[in-house]
Amino acid sequence: GQNIDQPTEMTATEGAIVQINCTYQTSGFNGLFWYQQHAGEAPTFLSYNVLDGLEEKGRFSSFLSRSKGYSYLLLKELQMKDSASYLCAVRDISGYALNFGKGTSLLVTP
Amino acid sequence: GAVVSQHPSRVICKSGTSVKIECRSLDFQATTMFWYRQFPKKSLMLMATSNEGSKATYEQGVEKDKFLINHASLTLSTLTVTSAHPEDSSFYICSSAEGGETQYFGPGTRLLVL
Repeated sequence: GQNIDQPTEMTATEGAIVQINCTYQTSGFNGLFWYQQHAGEAPTFLSYNVLDGLEEKGRFSSFLSRSKGYSYLLLKELQMKDSASYLCAVRDISGYALNFGKGTSLLVTP
Repeated sequence: GAVVSQHPSRVICKSGTSVKIECRSLDFQATTMFWYRQFPKKSLMLMATSNEGSKATYEQGVEKDKFLINHASLTLSTLTVTSAHPEDSSFYICSSAEGGETQYFGPGTRLLVL
């Protein structure tokens, strides 16, 4: 099984930088994903890490340390539309299914 | 990213009826699709893995006779909620993974059972 932890809520100011952490425990790791989900909508893919290090994609970056069971999602130049829930999901070696954390609800304020 | 559609987007039904939800992979052939359920302000919970041409694999605690999954073609998987009850009201989301890598989600189906 897997244990995935991320903060429940975060608040940040428009234009600022925010880091959302995710820790996990798994018997067999095969990739970590970050998704964004606006209320009432399905999740949209943000990033995928399978090797240690930082993956940068525009305003969003994701970091992974497999030895520490740790990842973070970094959002730069925050915009009001970034207010959403951010889901950390881990895939294990048994297949392609994802196990999701409970999500971090981010509120961006003016 | 891949495009996944779901139909219907929203359904209201009476208790005891059955509801079918379709999930289509529009731009690639998906041998595997996944069905998730999400209750309000909760995270996604995997219900089952749908395999084309074979039986679905259900997660622990999910009743296979209540949530019937059929994956008859490489682009279509269906989830049928049989004899639905109010506690089955939820947001049902499917996903497919091209080449077994990144999963892309459909827009979801909101089910309300009265």
